[in-house]
Amino acid sequence: NAGVTQTPKFRVLKTGQSMTLLCAQDMNHEYMYWYRQDPGMGLRLIHYSVGEGTTAKGEVPDGYNVSRLKKQNFLLGLESAAPSQTSVYFCASSYSGRDRVGRGYTFGSGTRLTVV
Amino acid sequence: AQTVTQSQPEMSVQEAETVTLSCTYDTSESDYYLFWYKQPPSRQMILVIRQEAYKQQNATENRFSVNFQKAAKSFSLKISDSQLGDAAMYFCAVLQGAQKLVFGQGTRLTINP
Repeated sequence: NAGVTQTPKFRVLKTGQSMTLLCAQDMNHEYMYWYRQDPGMGLRLIHYSVGEGTTAKGEVPDGYNVSRLKKQNFLLGLESAAPSQTSVYFCASSYSGRDRVGRGYTFGSGTRLTVV
Repeated sequence: AQTVTQSQPEMSVQEAETVTLSCTYDTSESDYYLFWYKQPPSRQMILVIRQEAYKQQNATENRFSVNFQKAAKSFSLKISDSQLGDAAMYFCAVLQGAQKLVFGQGTRLTINP
C-alpha cells in the first residue's frame, strides 16, 4: 500500500546513545517533515525538507539532525540521546504548492522512543 | 509566531449526541488553511476536514462540520450523531506559508455508550 513508512516502531535508548529513524514514502512527494508528539503539546515540527538534498529547521530542532539524500527517504538522527527526547516521532510527507492543501499531509504511524 | 490553542484537553459525549470541539488560532497571514486531524489509539493521523480561509462557507464532511469565524480566529469542529469509532484525540492545525503545519495541543474525545 502507498504511504509513509517509519522504522523502527519502538525503541529504547540509553542516555548518550545515538540512533537514526528512517522515513520512506512512495508517493513521489516533494516535502517531508519530522514532528514529535508530547502529551499536552500536540505535534511540534523538528525539521523539514522541501526537496532532495535540502533540509531546514522547524520549531524544536536542537539535538536532532536530518538528511534527505534521496527524494523518498528522510532520516532523523539523534547523536547523543537525552531523556528529554523521549517522545513519539511522526514523519509526514506532502506535495508542494496548492496540492499540499488539496491532498493534505500523509503521516507515518509513528515511532515511540524512550530514553532512559 | 503562529499559535493554535485547543482549550479543552478532554471532552465526552453520549453516543448519537452532538459535540463541538473548540480551536482558536493566531496568524498574521490572510491566506491560510485550517484542518482537523483525528488520532485514534493506533496513533495514525487521519485528516477529518479542511477549510480554506478565503472561503466563507463552512466545510462539511458527512457527520463532521466546522464553524469558521475568521474575524474571531475560531475554527470549531462539530461531530453529529457521535459514534463509538469517533473516540480519539483530535488536533486542530493551521497551514501557513510555504511549509508550516502548526498543531494545537489536542482534545481527547470519549464517547459514552
